Amino acid sequence: QKEVEQNSGPLSVPEGAIASLNCTYSDRVSQSFFWYRQYSGKSPELIMSIYSNGDKEDGRFTAQLNKASQYVSLLIRDSQPSDSATYLCAVIPSGAGSYQLTFGKGTKLSVIP
Amino acid sequence: DADVTQTPRNRITKTGKRIMLECSQTKGHDRMYWYRQDPGLGLRLIYYSFDVKDINKGEISDGYSVSRQAQAKFSLSLESAIPNQTALYFCATSDPSTGGDEQFFGPGTRLTVL
Repeated sequence: QKEVEQNSGPLSVPEGAIASLNCTYSDRVSQSFFWYRQYSGKSPELIMSIYSNGDKEDGRFTAQLNKASQYVSLLIRDSQPSDSATYLCAVIPSGAGSYQLTFGKGTKLSVIP
Repeated sequence: DADVTQTPRNRITKTGKRIMLECSQTKGHDRMYWYRQDPGLGLRLIYYSFDVKDINKGEISDGYSVSRQAQAKFSLSLESAIPNQTALYFCATSDPSTGGDEQFFGPGTRLTVL
């Protein structure tokens, strides 16, 4: 069973701090990694995709991928109350040509004003 | 704006009833997916389609069927609804020709089976 693991939280950070969200995956040959944000009762919204080892930055968000450790993370700088949501890590487990996203159960983030 | 829409947004039905959830997209994507989301279980894939003539089962297809009527339309049917099919249902699309595998989600349908 190919798995994606996340700490369910809740993770609480003060406004303006850095929020760090972590995800591990079991399939060593995974190639594609995604972070989605989901507000309560709403649909998942794509924040970041990352395919290569290292960091990828987009505004206040940085995704970090370490394939050797089978680990992907999301950093949110200058956290805002509007960042309070559940963050879903998603992985395409197999190599090129695969399609099937496997989702973690999500980490609930709470940004305290 | 290119978009993914789902109808209905909310539906309450009774055990044994047949129900259809519809998904339409204006993104021009070939690939379409149906997921369900349950508290504590996360998002799970029900069916997916890579083009009009292609239908594939996902992780949890039992009790469901789908129809890809056109590139832009992908419907999910529950032939005889049961209470444990109460969940939030999402349609998603993707276009691998862009070089990525990103999937984009519709707003969801909240289904309650009594």
